[in-house]
Amino acid sequence: QVQLQESGPGLVKPSQTLSLTCTVSGGSISGDNYYWTWIRQHPGKGLEWIGYIYYSGSTYYNPSLKSRVTISVDTSKNQFSLNLSSVTAADTAVYYCAREGSYSGSPPVADYWGQGTLVTVSS
Amino acid sequence: DILMTQSPSTLSASVGDRVTITCRASDTIRSWLAWYQQKPGKAPKLLIFKASSLESGVPSRFSGSGSGTEFTLTISSLQPDDFATYYCQQYNSYPWTFGQGTKVEIK
Repeated sequence: QVQLQESGPGLVKPSQTLSLTCTVSGGSISGDNYYWTWIRQHPGKGLEWIGYIYYSGSTYYNPSLKSRVTISVDTSKNQFSLNLSSVTAADTAVYYCAREGSYSGSPPVADYWGQGTLVTVSS
Repeated sequence: DILMTQSPSTLSASVGDRVTITCRASDTIRSWLAWYQQKPGKAPKLLIFKASSLESGVPSRFSGSGSGTEFTLTISSLQPDDFATYYCQQYNSYPWTFGQGTKVEIK
């Protein structure tokens, strides 16, 4: 059973960089057909897809955040990470990491999620 | 971006009721639609993928239908464990986008 766990600071100052890591257990991050994704949820609001990384290092970012987002992968540690620069209070949210699986040629869909971690942007 | 619109935003229902939630896409997404269930303080859980395929382990009272731009999630007989917020998500065109959610409350 694949499990994902987010880790990182729960409080970030405005203009600084938010950094989170997702540790994957119960499966290899290097598996074919899996995309490793970050999704966030503003307090009391809906879900916003941030972007993905494939184990090879290829990425796609939501254009709304592209100028500030970097997602990286460390296959030796079975981890992937999110960096979001120049944060403001509008980036306060619960951040989820997720595995998106692509089956029989279908686009990838998020079938395993971490529990989420609240990151507050405040001085 | 493809805009996903769910209705209603809130739904009040009783145990045993048949419940239907609608999701509309601003452009065709073929059948690449997923439904998630989220309970307070928890991560979303995948219920339905490819519009009508039931995720493993999900009770058969959940079903999905539709294609193109209009989709529905149906719960055939609402159970106490089903009171939650439901989200649709399109995964046809990047960036993937979600509906605003439908909260199913106890009547």
